[in-house]
Amino acid sequence: ETGVTQSPTHLIKTRGQQVTLRCSSQSGHNTVSWYQQALGQGPQFIFQYYREEENGRGNFPPRFSGLQFPNYSSELNVNALELDDSALYLCASSSERGHEQFFGPGTRLTVL
Amino acid sequence: DQQVKQNSPSLSVQEGRISILNCDYTNSMFDYFLWYKKYPAEGPTFLISISSIKDKNEDGRFTVFLNKSAKHLSLHIVPSQPGDSAVYFCAASARNAGNNRKLIWGLGTSLAVNP
Repeated sequence: ETGVTQSPTHLIKTRGQQVTLRCSSQSGHNTVSWYQQALGQGPQFIFQYYREEENGRGNFPPRFSGLQFPNYSSELNVNALELDDSALYLCASSSERGHEQFFGPGTRLTVL
Repeated sequence: DQQVKQNSPSLSVQEGRISILNCDYTNSMFDYFLWYKKYPAEGPTFLISISSIKDKNEDGRFTVFLNKSAKHLSLHIVPSQPGDSAVYFCAASARNAGNNRKLIWGLGTSLAVNP
């Protein structure tokens, strides 16, 4: 069974740029959730995708957007990067009726 | 407004002793609770969970207790091992109108198990 994978592991961008982060869900899981974890904080829910559609969103502006593909992998796109976007971005997958979410290793984004 | 609270930022215990990590919540709609362990530069690892219809769930050295009336849960690790040293997060979820579940997280407790 393949676990959740994310790419890249680290990324450095400058203010105003755009970034795309990628996630492959665990086999058998059709739901992907994205979280942002700032230093010293717990993860904050960005949004969730189920069967290629957004299925819930947290308090993040529209410049945070996403996609889910037919193979259930997912992308997180952030436009017009701001310094405060610097964080660890976590992807989690779960099964359709599963309560537990299983996380990838995260992508560390630094915005300069 | 923090709906899930872990009031102890850190905890230090001796190897072989019991570690007790606490978590409080405010939202009575939460019906599922989870504990995750996190090492630096890694994603959270699922440890154990409990449904709101239960008051205890045990898995090996890990036991989670839920007190719904007090809106309190705790994770017991017995016996504690040095490899348990990590940040432990409590998370809670409720099913939303869109039939999705998002996790609401505490700030974490850093556990150090000393040899």
